[in-house]
Amino acid sequence: NAGVTQTPKFQVLKTGQSMTLQCAQDMNHNSMYWYRQDPGMGLRLIYYSASEGTTDKGEVPNGYNVSRLNKREFSLRLESAAPSQTSVYFCASGYEQYFGPGTRLTVT
Amino acid sequence: AQSVTQPDIHITVSEGASLELRCNYSYGATPYLFWYVQSPGQGLQLLLKYFSGDTLVQGIKGFEAEFKRSQSSFNLRKPSVHWSDAAEYFCAAGGPNDYKLSFGAGTTVTVRA
Repeated sequence: NAGVTQTPKFQVLKTGQSMTLQCAQDMNHNSMYWYRQDPGMGLRLIYYSASEGTTDKGEVPNGYNVSRLNKREFSLRLESAAPSQTSVYFCASGYEQYFGPGTRLTVT
Repeated sequence: AQSVTQPDIHITVSEGASLELRCNYSYGATPYLFWYVQSPGQGLQLLLKYFSGDTLVQGIKGFEAEFKRSQSSFNLRKPSVHWSDAAEYFCAAGGPNDYKLSFGAGTTVTVRA
């Protein structure tokens, strides 16, 4: 029982490159979430999915897209990375928010 | 608007001393309340939660929290801290019909020997 897994753990991108952050949960939760965490800014919700087949914008959705591939998987895509997207990204699952270990992304 | 406030950005406490972290919420009705801990380089881990019933809630790692409706507060306490309790702590709140939680800005706890 792995809980919430995220890949990759670390990533460096150049401005304008694209990438997809992967998240999977094995707890049979309906809801899944993507957050970013920046120093002094706390946790900010990017997108969430209340159930399979639905996604909704959170507090800071600009520059991101998401896909709820199935009940287990919820991916976050950066189409054209910008330095302002340098952050630590966390996926969470379930209303009580079980968090993954995070992806540390640097955009140069 | 729904919001969660953690008034203390940083707290320093001696090992073995007691710890109390403050959390205040602003919600239309009694929310569901949570405390999380984040160790350096890690994701957040749920310490405890309050949905209803007994207003004193026990959690993992020896933590407890008390819901006080009159003060709109859900403060986290530990009687005797250990060096391993040095971390960042987040309070969060949500409604029974919400899909997402509102998080406080976090309180960093430093434990001195």
